[in-house]
Amino acid sequence: DAGVIQSPRHEVTEMGQEVTLRCKPISGHDYLFWYRQTMMRGLELLIYFNNNVPIDDSGMPEDRFSAKMPNASFSTLKIQPSEPRDSAVYFCASSWGSGGGGDTQYFGPGTRLTVL
Amino acid sequence: GNSVTQMEGPVTLSEEAFLTINCTYTATGYPSLFWYVQYPGEGLQLLLKATKADDKGSNKGFEATYRKETTSFHLEKGSVQVSDSAVYFCALGTSGSRLTFGEGTQLTVNP
Repeated sequence: DAGVIQSPRHEVTEMGQEVTLRCKPISGHDYLFWYRQTMMRGLELLIYFNNNVPIDDSGMPEDRFSAKMPNASFSTLKIQPSEPRDSAVYFCASSWGSGGGGDTQYFGPGTRLTVL
Repeated sequence: GNSVTQMEGPVTLSEEAFLTINCTYTATGYPSLFWYVQYPGEGLQLLLKATKADDKGSNKGFEATYRKETTSFHLEKGSVQVSDSAVYFCALGTSGSRLTFGEGTQLTVNP
C-alpha cells in the first residue's frame, strides 16, 4: 500500500491567493482527518470525515477554510484567501475507526505551506 | 472532556542513556492510549499502543504500560540511539471520538 498521499509537498503562495491541498487516504479507511502543525500552536485537528461526511469541523479556524471529500479516495482542504498566518505544515491522516477502539491513524508526509 | 499532558521538552540525552517521557491523561470512559513519533520532515507514525488497563505496548525497544490507577502511559527506552531523535506524541482515544494528542516532546540524542 502506498500509504496516505498528499500533494503538493510544498506550496509557496502570496497573501490573498487561493490554496488547495489534496489528500488520497489509504484504500478502505473510513475516517479521514486534516491537521495543522505550527511551532506556536502544535498539532491541531481541523476537521474529520466519516464515510465522506464531515463529522466535526470545530477546529477549522475561520470561513476562509473549507474541506470536502467528494468520494472515499479523495479530499481537499482549501484556503481562500490565504494569509501569512496560515503558514504551517498540513497533514492528512486516515484510519479504520475514529480512535476509541485502538484504531491507528496513518499520516501522510504533509504539505508545507508558506504564505508570503 | 479528554486531555493529555506530556512532559515538556526539549529533552537532550547522550547515546545509550535511559529515556522516560511522562504522559498523563484525563478521559471519560475507557480510552485507548498511543505513542506516535514524528521524525524530521515526516508525518506522525504509530510507535506503540495499549487498549486496556495494564497492557504494555512495545516497539523498537520502546515500552509503555497503561496504568489506570495513575492515569499514566509513560514512554521508556533503556538505551537510546541517535536515530531516536524525533518528536514524541502521547495520545488517547475513547469510543466514538477522535484522538486527543499531547503537545509533543522533542528528543535529541547526541553521539
